Amino acid sequence: EAGVTQFPSHSVIEKGQTVTLRCDPISGHDNLYWYRRVMGKEIKFLLHFVKESKQDESGMPNNRFLAERTGGTYSTLKVQPAELEDSGVYFCASSQDVGSAYEQYFGPGTRLTVT
Amino acid sequence: RKEVEQDPGPFNVPEGATVAFNCTYSNSASQSFFWYRQDCRKEPKLLMSVYSSGNEDGRFTAQLNRASQYISLLIRDSKLSDSATYLCVVRSGGYQKVTFGIGTKLQVIP
Repeated sequence: EAGVTQFPSHSVIEKGQTVTLRCDPISGHDNLYWYRRVMGKEIKFLLHFVKESKQDESGMPNNRFLAERTGGTYSTLKVQPAELEDSGVYFCASSQDVGSAYEQYFGPGTRLTVT
Repeated sequence: RKEVEQDPGPFNVPEGATVAFNCTYSNSASQSFFWYRQDCRKEPKLLMSVYSSGNEDGRFTAQLNRASQYISLLIRDSKLSDSATYLCVVRSGGYQKVTFGIGTKLQVIP
């Protein structure tokens, strides 16, 4: 079974540009999460989808970030316009269901550098 | 105060040693607790869940102390392959919103 995949693995963009990150969850996982790790800081929750609906987006930093999950399959996270402080590793995770018995499986992450 | 606090280390221990990490959490209503392992430049992977009664998986033992709001991870007979960052993760609320600690870096030395 394929794991969570993310694309691209690395992205280097200039301040003010737009970047779109993609996440493909494990097939059949209704729950999809986005996280971000800024260098030297903890991994931070951004938002949670259940199928195509945003269940919790309390971690989104500001309105420059837009996440979508059309059709309830893959998800995209767009940053527009990018700022220097957006640099970090963006992880996506998926789980089969909610509840402590359901492990969140993480993708390899997208390393974003804004110059 | 951070929601989840860990000593970032690094902990440098010789092969075969026993090492323990602690993690404290601030939300007394937290419901679920986990230890994740993260290798350098890789994604976090679940090591073990932490149950109220404590649980063991081979050389790894996890314990939860709700009264003092901390969880622990004990690694016995450390192997070189145990070198990694160990992330304390706490879940609160009904929809699996999790909070990560900064992680504790372990380096096992030959």
